[in-house]
Amino acid sequence: DSGVTQTPKHLITATGQRVTLRCSPRSGDLSVYWYQQSLDQGLQFLIQYYNGEERAKGNILERFSAQQFPDLHSELNLSSLELGDSALYFCASSPGRYQETQYFGPGTRLLVL
Amino acid sequence: EDQVTQSPEALRLQEGESSSLNCSYTVSGLRGLFWYRQDPGKGPEFLFTLYSAGEEKEKERLKATLTKKESFLHITAPKPEDSATYLCAVQALWGSSNTGKLIFGQGTTLQVKP
Repeated sequence: DSGVTQTPKHLITATGQRVTLRCSPRSGDLSVYWYQQSLDQGLQFLIQYYNGEERAKGNILERFSAQQFPDLHSELNLSSLELGDSALYFCASSPGRYQETQYFGPGTRLLVL
Repeated sequence: EDQVTQSPEALRLQEGESSSLNCSYTVSGLRGLFWYRQDPGKGPEFLFTLYSAGEEKEKERLKATLTKKESFLHITAPKPEDSATYLCAVQALWGSSNTGKLIFGQGTTLQVKP
């Protein structure tokens, strides 16, 4: 158990819908990262938050957004969902802004029908 | 462009048959190289972090090494429970941005047969 929690574990929804994925980092970690894992793309970095502020963006679609709250938990919002958004979404956390090891949560499996 | 390539894509070993997994990287300054293990449908599990060429880390049957261009994950006398996908990732120097983004390879899927 990495100490990072993610909810829900599974999510099935329809195209065009909007969903919210939630992540709680390890105790004491200030950085939260979101990654997407699909069969053809592997693990891809989406976005990083550090202590409530956005630090870096990867190939995150404009339909996707995230935020980190004062209690340091984070939410990833996916809207206008398409079939291609079906994937595993992972959250990771680390103590600081960079270099430290990132510990991953169990992931949310999203299926868009 | 920063890139990570892992080989082979898949590896089948008999129990006790030692081997190595390769991770080649191209990055504009290496801040750190990370190895993770991932079981199907689960989150990546941290194994090692390497920061500089020549560094080595060991844990049970696994040993990770690092050069200026690649890293190896050596598996000695593997057991069936070592079967998993092994992921390599690099963290690049971003100049003044200093972010923690990890760039992952596609992984090597290891199957160890009893």
